[in-house]
Amino acid sequence: GAVVSQHPSRVICKSGTSVKIECRSLDFQATTMFWYRQFPKQSLMLMATSNEGSKATYEQGVEKDKFLINHASLTLSTLTVTSAHPEDSSFYICSAKSAGRYTDTQYFGPGTRLTVL
Amino acid sequence: GENVEQHPSTLSVQEGDSAVIKCTYSDSASNYFPWYKQELGKRPQLIIDIRSNVGEKKDQRIAVTLNKTAKHFSLHITETQPEDSAVYFCAAGSSGAGSYQLTFGKGTKLSVIP
Repeated sequence: GAVVSQHPSRVICKSGTSVKIECRSLDFQATTMFWYRQFPKQSLMLMATSNEGSKATYEQGVEKDKFLINHASLTLSTLTVTSAHPEDSSFYICSAKSAGRYTDTQYFGPGTRLTVL
Repeated sequence: GENVEQHPSTLSVQEGDSAVIKCTYSDSASNYFPWYKQELGKRPQLIIDIRSNVGEKKDQRIAVTLNKTAKHFSLHITETQPEDSAVYFCAAGSSGAGSYQLTFGKGTKLSVIP
């Protein structure tokens, strides 16, 4: 089946630093990748949609200058949290949509737990 | 945009009983309805999905029904087992040309009591 990896799984950083999270589709090409944020005991909040080779589309209320997304290839998208602050602490999950037969299905990465001190 | 409501938020059932989770959606253009299971600290996993050209789909102990007219769809789990305990999310989206995204419900925490 389709596998999505995410790295790192956990990161702790100091306030003011930047953190990069990678999302990779391992065995399929992903034309579209999605970045979600999930607070404890809450649902998945879509932050942005990225298509390979083009600029990401951000959801309302998500600062594009703070959450930089790069979808450089059909298997890799990165999310950089710039100048992180404690309120950015959260669980960030990416998902990838296959360009193949099952084009509707999103496959999720294992998530990245970000803690900003 | 799409709005997905999910009920109940929590559900406890005895092992062996059935569990039903219901979702409603607002956008009649939505034509794809997946269900995800998320265990604590893990990624959401697709367990079943249904497209708008089908009214019901079954996979062993789980089934999903879709009522396009009423804009609601439901997940049914029969003969529940402790390992079914997790948070379940429904979602609605539209596939095809143009933009694509899923809108998720707020989730249902299912607890199966042994």
